[in-house]
Amino acid sequence: GAVVSQHPSWVICKSGTSVKIECRSLDFQATTMFWYRQFPKQSLMLMATSNEGSKATYEQGVEKDKFLINHASLTLSTLTVTSAHPEDSSFYICSAPGGLAKNIQYFGAGTRLSVL
Amino acid sequence: SQQGEEDPQALSIQEGENATMNCSYKTSINNLQWYRQNSGRGLVHLILIRSNEREKHSGRLRVTLDTSKKSSSLLITASRAADTASYFCATDFAGANSKLTFGKGITLSVRP
Repeated sequence: GAVVSQHPSWVICKSGTSVKIECRSLDFQATTMFWYRQFPKQSLMLMATSNEGSKATYEQGVEKDKFLINHASLTLSTLTVTSAHPEDSSFYICSAPGGLAKNIQYFGAGTRLSVL
Repeated sequence: SQQGEEDPQALSIQEGENATMNCSYKTSINNLQWYRQNSGRGLVHLILIRSNEREKHSGRLRVTLDTSKKSSSLLITASRAADTASYFCATDFAGANSKLTFGKGITLSVRP
């Protein structure tokens, strides 16, 4: 099946620094990728839709300047958490649609971000 | 906003028993899917049922869909300790460009 690789799996950073998370589709092309945020024991909250070659589409309430998304190629999307603060600590997950009808999501393993 | 609402929120059963999880949604859908998430990991797709289908099977999984009640159920038969995970239903609708809306999730614990 389709594989999505997400890196890093865990990152600890100091408040005020920026953190980049990569999401790669390893064996298929993804013109669209999705970025989610998940709090402990809660569901996934869609943050933004990453579009290859164009600007990302952000969900209501998500700060564009805080969470920078770049979809540089058909297999790579990056999420940069700029000037991270402790409230940004969370589990971030990316996904890419696949399957014949592109209606199945293939997920990365997630990134645990801890901001001190 | 989340569309799916699963129940129960947590379920604990003995190995070998069947586990039934329910999901309700609010708007018309194209497809409904179930995903599984092991603790601290990404989600894995389990099964997809289209809006014009009523029941689907995959191995030990059986999913039903009742569009009149806007609800779905996921049955895991002969559960195993390895089935312990969180389970989410997700819906997509026409024009959503593959975007899914996830429910709150059900935590399933299977005791060996």
